[in-house]
Amino acid sequence: EVQLQESGPGLVKPSQSLSLTCSVTGYSITSNYWGWIRKFPGNKMEWMGYISYSGSTSYNPSLKSRISITRDTSKNQFFLQLNSVTTEDTATYYCARMNSGYNWFAYWGQGTLVTVSS
Amino acid sequence: AIVLNQSPSSIIASQGEKVTITCRASSSISSNYLHWYQQKPGAFPKLVIYSTSYRASGVPSRFSGSGSGTSYSFTISRVEAEDVATYYCQQGSSNPHTFGAGTKLELK
Repeated sequence: EVQLQESGPGLVKPSQSLSLTCSVTGYSITSNYWGWIRKFPGNKMEWMGYISYSGSTSYNPSLKSRISITRDTSKNQFFLQLNSVTTEDTATYYCARMNSGYNWFAYWGQGTLVTVSS
Repeated sequence: AIVLNQSPSSIIASQGEKVTITCRASSSISSNYLHWYQQKPGAFPKLVIYSTSYRASGVPSRFSGSGSGTSYSFTISRVEAEDVATYYCQQGSSNPHTFGAGTKLELK
């Protein structure tokens, strides 16, 4: 069974970088697409980007200058880095496996709350 | 970006009642790329319907979806207590993939 688990700091200071890890078990990240989605207080959901089975990436244009998604295939993990965070980046961050055809998210991590505050 | 206008924002329904949520896209989407999720409090979103009308594995038959072009709908034929959740539509047709604002379903 595919399982995803996010990990990383729950508190980040403004202007610093947010870094999260998604650890995947039961499926290789060298297949399919692997994405990050966040949910803001108030319920708005935002797709942030993905990394593909080959390592190529695609990002939400609203984040393009601040976001990087990378991976470590030897550990079956992929990573999110978001630079220059502000309080508006406070959200629950989810990693998910994205269907490579029609781009639905069938498997999700439990989510991790990241608060940006000084 | 394709904006998904989801309505209503909240529904209060009785057990056994039929409820319908609509999702209108700002541009036409192939029906293959429109999906629906259920998120219960404190849990991650769960895929319920993919490609407009296909139920995900294990999803009860009371959940259904339909639509085309810019207009899509999601229906629960007979609401049960366990269906209390927020429901989201999502399009995977173009970057950025976007979500509707969500519909919160509560029981009367």
